[in-house]
Amino acid sequence: AQSVSQHNHHVILSEAASLELGCNYSYGGTVNLFWYVQYPGQHLQLLLKYFSGDPLVKGIKGFEAEFIKSKFSFNLRKPSVQWSDTAEYFCAVNARSGGGADGLTFGKGTHLIIQP
Amino acid sequence: DSGVTQTPKHLITATGQRVTLRCSPRSGDLSVYWYQQSLDQGLQFLIQYYNGEERAKGNILERFSAQQFPDLHSELNLSSLELGDSALYFCASSHRGGRADTQYFGPGTRLTVL
Repeated sequence: AQSVSQHNHHVILSEAASLELGCNYSYGGTVNLFWYVQYPGQHLQLLLKYFSGDPLVKGIKGFEAEFIKSKFSFNLRKPSVQWSDTAEYFCAVNARSGGGADGLTFGKGTHLIIQP
Repeated sequence: DSGVTQTPKHLITATGQRVTLRCSPRSGDLSVYWYQQSLDQGLQFLIQYYNGEERAKGNILERFSAQQFPDLHSELNLSSLELGDSALYFCASSHRGGRADTQYFGPGTRLTVL
């Protein structure tokens, strides 16, 4: 079975600060990796995803993430955050093939607050 | 707006009761997923359907069941409700149900069991 760990449950930053949210997964095989965001009062939206190829993935709204296979990590980054980035961020994984469910395994989420 | 709709938005009921949550996938999507989000367990995958057939099961209790109808909408049935079933229930859809597919999430149904 796979599992996902997000290190920071709450992060508070000022506008224009740089952001890095940690995500580590546990699974013996190859995986697909996702970052979802949930803005206040809204549904979960996909920020970016990684399946194969270039381990540096660019997503929407200036976010990017880097897959480091040796560290089982998929950290989310943004060089300069805005107040509108205040939201809950979820890292998720599923096994690319083999046994197991097609559903996503999510981390517990990181609540990001950006102060003006 | 993801294109996935869920009804009702809120549901308040009593222990022991049975409720049905409804989900309509995005136009053209064949696969539907159900997730439960609670404070202690986080977001957990419950079950997946593809074109009317059950494809995968996650942490779904025996008291819970789901189905996907010919028009591709799905219903999640929760019975013998307990206080611990209070949670946000999300539906998601994807085009072909593959593991690389993007899952698009609905706004959720908040269930409160009193």
